[in-house]
Amino acid sequence: GENVEQHPSTLSVQEGDSAVIKCTYSDSASNYFPWYKQELGKRPQLIIDIRSNVGEKKDQRIAVTLNKTAKHFSLHITETQPEDSAVYFCAASRRGSQGNLIFGKGTKLSVKP
Amino acid sequence: EAQVTQNPRYLITVTGKKLTVTCSQNMNHEYMSWYRQDPGLGLRQIYYSMNVEVTDKGDVPEGYKVSRKEKRNFPLILESPSPNQTSLYFCASSLLGYPPGELFFGEGSRLTVL
Repeated sequence: GENVEQHPSTLSVQEGDSAVIKCTYSDSASNYFPWYKQELGKRPQLIIDIRSNVGEKKDQRIAVTLNKTAKHFSLHITETQPEDSAVYFCAASRRGSQGNLIFGKGTKLSVKP
Repeated sequence: EAQVTQNPRYLITVTGKKLTVTCSQNMNHEYMSWYRQDPGLGLRQIYYSMNVEVTDKGDVPEGYKVSRKEKRNFPLILESPSPNQTSLYFCASSLLGYPPGELFFGEGSRLTVL
């Protein structure tokens, strides 16, 4: 089955710096890769996703890149702000396998003012 | 308002006392799922359902049961809770299809088993 590894487990940056979180997956058939953000005491919420036919996707200060050959994908946050502080989860799933959305263990991002 | 509602939000119980955590969604989603969240372990799937009367095991189904008698409801049942089931539980729902629809999570249910 699919296995998703996420690194680092914690990340601390200064406000205005960039943050990068990396995930690797094991199942070459995986083709959908979402990222969820969970603020302290809140529920996870989707912030961006990417399909395997796309190498990069951007949404304002957030971008996700995908390397299918190496089976890894990354979340990039530029010009970080204190409100970016949260736990971020990557996930991977296969077409037709809605139930097999496998999450990484999460990265706790702290943005220091 | 589109939402996933879980109850109870907080519960302290004792070993062996059966309990049910309810989950209801008002978005007409086919897919529903239960996750548990533990420090350092992320979100682990317990059970999921693709439609009414269709359920399947996730990664950590031991000690849990589910049912899907109606499209909107997906209760999680702990027949004989044990302390290792102390956790934060999330119910989630989405539309089916490709790519998989966005997962909408409930607010979470924090369970403590003494």
